[in-house]
Amino acid sequence: DSGVTQTPKHLITATGQRVTLRCSPRSGDLSVYWYQQSLDQGLQFLIQYYNGEERAKGNILERFSAQQFPDLHSELNLSSLELGDSALYFCASSVAPLAGGEQYFGPGTRLTVT
Amino acid sequence: LAKTTQPISMDSYEGQEVNITCSHNNIATNDYITWYQQFPSQGPRFIIQGYKTKVTNEVASLFIPADRKSSTLSLPRVSLSDTAVYYCLVGDPFNQGGKLIFGQGTELSVKP
Repeated sequence: DSGVTQTPKHLITATGQRVTLRCSPRSGDLSVYWYQQSLDQGLQFLIQYYNGEERAKGNILERFSAQQFPDLHSELNLSSLELGDSALYFCASSVAPLAGGEQYFGPGTRLTVT
Repeated sequence: LAKTTQPISMDSYEGQEVNITCSHNNIATNDYITWYQQFPSQGPRFIIQGYKTKVTNEVASLFIPADRKSSTLSLPRVSLSDTAVYYCLVGDPFNQGGKLIFGQGTELSVKP
């Protein structure tokens, strides 16, 4: 158990819909990262927040957005969903904003878009 | 960011030592080498990180030659539970915004 929690574990929705994925980092960690893992694209970095501020952006679509709240939990919002958005979404956390070495990953949310 | 090349898959037997080599010819001076392990449908788990020579922890060793153009993750006496995908990552953990760039990884299969 990494100490990072993600909800929900599974999500099934239809194309065009909007969903919100939630992540709670390990106690004391200020940085939260979101990754998407699909069969054809592998594990891809989406976005990072540190203490409420956006820190780095990866291959995140404009239809996706995220935020980190004062209690440090984070939400990833996915809108106008397409079939290709079906994937595992992981949240990770670390203590420092530039801790590119060791990140602690949550169990993931499996999103299925039908 | 330095590109990494790893074998796509490897087979081993329980009790053997497994060495997974990663090639990173374009590694930069400030880059570190980090290895993660991922089981199916689970998030990746940090294994080890190093800059040069040899690093050892309770689960693995990381060997990095002087030119740093490659590295080898060594897993001693593997068991069935070591069956997983292993990712080699190269980057500057202090200047890349914290993001991890994952490649294809090596799928290790340990047989009884």
